[in-house]
Amino acid sequence: AQRVTQPEKLLSVFKGAPVELKCNYSYSGSPELFWYVQYSRQRLQLLLRHISRESIKGFTADLNKGETSFHLKKPFAQEEDSAMYYCALSSRAAGNKLTFGGGTRVLVKP
Amino acid sequence: DAGVTQSPTHLIKTRGQQVTLRCSPKSGHDTVSWYQQALGQGPQFIFQYYEEEERQRGNFPDRFSGHQFPNYSSELNVNALLLGDSALYLCASSLVGATHNEQFFGPGTRLTVL
Repeated sequence: AQRVTQPEKLLSVFKGAPVELKCNYSYSGSPELFWYVQYSRQRLQLLLRHISRESIKGFTADLNKGETSFHLKKPFAQEEDSAMYYCALSSRAAGNKLTFGGGTRVLVKP
Repeated sequence: DAGVTQSPTHLIKTRGQQVTLRCSPKSGHDTVSWYQQALGQGPQFIFQYYEEEERQRGNFPDRFSGHQFPNYSSELNVNALLLGDSALYLCASSLVGATHNEQFFGPGTRLTVL
């Protein structure tokens, strides 16, 4: 079974401070990991995927298969980063359905 | 391209009624997935449609059913509504065989069951 856990419901940081959102998963096969973001009054959208190994809006995430984690990090948070962040897991073997974590709300204070 | 569209935006029903939600996928996409997002939770997978057939199903009762049309649009039907069905229903579209498994989400339909 696929399972994604985001232990923090809320992260509050000051502008310019680092932010790290934790994501742990359980899956026995080869997972694909994603971070989705939902800004206020906007639809859910893909932020980044582990396969691409890219940095989007200053965010990076590294897949650690040993620790089954896919934490999202940004060294200097900006006010526009305030949003809901969801970690999600998928696999082609499981038909590409997305399994989401419960989400973390990030609040960046000025 | 307007992306994924869903209708209606909001809906209020009473217990025991039936509801139909609609989704049009992003242009060029052939697969539609439906998710239920209860308040304060992450989206939960309901089912996925491809080539007008249900390809996968999550842990939802048979009261939840769907359909995909030849133009790839889709409907989600829920019978015998319960208070617990109140949620945001999200539709996502994707393309089978795409290099990356990216799903594009619609704005959702907010269903309230009284």
